[in-house]
Amino acid sequence: AQKVTQAQTEISVVEKEDVTLDCVYETRDTTYYLFWYKQPPSGELVFLIRRNSFDEQNEISGRYSWNFQKSTSSFNFTITASQVVDSAVYFCALIPNQAGTALIFGKGTTLSVSS
Amino acid sequence: GAVVSQHPSRVICKSGTSVKIECRSLDFQATTMFWYRQFPKQSLMLMATSNEGSKATYEQGVEKDKFLINHASLTLSTLTVTSAHPEDSSFYICSAPRPGSDGEQYFGPGTRLTVT
Repeated sequence: AQKVTQAQTEISVVEKEDVTLDCVYETRDTTYYLFWYKQPPSGELVFLIRRNSFDEQNEISGRYSWNFQKSTSSFNFTITASQVVDSAVYFCALIPNQAGTALIFGKGTTLSVSS
Repeated sequence: GAVVSQHPSRVICKSGTSVKIECRSLDFQATTMFWYRQFPKQSLMLMATSNEGSKATYEQGVEKDKFLINHASLTLSTLTVTSAHPEDSSFYICSAPRPGSDGEQYFGPGTRLTVT
């Protein structure tokens, strides 16, 4: 089965706290792609990162970092020093097998950052 | 700037009427586009794959006679919700893979449909 699980439905933190959003995926394919998207209240998806299955290097972009571990089929997302503007729904997604096919989304994690 | 556009961004229609949503790729040709539906506080669920020059492929449980998809050209796919009902009220999002890319996909800004 091809599946993405985001076990955390909602997370609330106070500004400047670090927060990690978990993502576990399932696929039998050896080639696949993983994504994180942010969806603010406007609804438009904001692309954050894409990772293919052969690139296990972790990545840091400003306050954002991603930890990809094939051994545990996880692709976790950490926001350091969270800000109110980080409040949104975050989706982890998977394209199994071939690039150019549809994404399979997790259920999303709603992050609320209060000041 | 946006590379996939959707029109309209919001639409309100009466129960029983039909509404058409357009999805356009702006800087590239898309032989395939995807239509997703998102109910409030839920995830995006794939409805169908739109294929230029051939019939759309619908996901299980999606009525093809109700959600008509036409991939009219290499830059345009349309989704028509026929005989709309209040339960069709949702956020509809299209996407298109960038040709030759390594899994890169572009999403439209979405269309919020409200059926009264």
